Amino acid sequence: DAGVTQSPTHLIKTRGQQVTLRCSPKSGHDTVSWYQQALGQGPQFIFQYYEEEERQRGNFPDRFSGHQFPNYSSELNVNALLLGDSALYLCASTPLTGQETQYFGPGTRLLVL
Amino acid sequence: SQQGEEDPQALSIQEGENATMNCSYKTSINNLQWYRQNSGRGLVHLILIRSNEREKHSGRLRVTLDTSKKSSSLLITASRAADTASYFCATDAKGSYIPTFGRGTSLIVHP
Repeated sequence: DAGVTQSPTHLIKTRGQQVTLRCSPKSGHDTVSWYQQALGQGPQFIFQYYEEEERQRGNFPDRFSGHQFPNYSSELNVNALLLGDSALYLCASTPLTGQETQYFGPGTRLLVL
Repeated sequence: SQQGEEDPQALSIQEGENATMNCSYKTSINNLQWYRQNSGRGLVHLILIRSNEREKHSGRLRVTLDTSKKSSSLLITASRAADTASYFCATDAKGSYIPTFGRGTSLIVHP
């Protein structure tokens, strides 16, 4: 049973570019959340997807958008990249029963130059 | 903004010693969770304690929760070098089921 997977593992972009990160939730999980973790900080909640809809959103600008597919996988898109967007982006999934415990993927490390 | 704040920021101990980390938060919560993160990788869930619970155990881990002081502690007994990691507390504020993380405690266990 595969856990949460994310791709790519590492990514280098330049300012102004756009990036798409991908996440496949753990089997049996239908809810996906995205977090941004800057160096030396805790994860910051970006948004959560359930039934292909954005259910909750954190304090992030509209440059951050997402999508959830019928198979529950999800994408995080960031437009007009800034240097400050450099961070580890974590995806977490929770099961259909709505338990509070989240299962995290290994993350995508994004560097914006 | 950070709801939970861990203390200390960094902790260095010898293998076999106990490690205690604290977490303080600001608003009423549904529950509090502790996570571990190795070298900037994904987080691993350790333990969840609900607002009506005071203490929970899982193996070498002991978590306490004091809702009157809005604080929690994580005790790792008989630490091992493999326990070296960053430890985060995450709280779900009442009315929200999205966990808010603190900045974490960096634990180094020397063999």
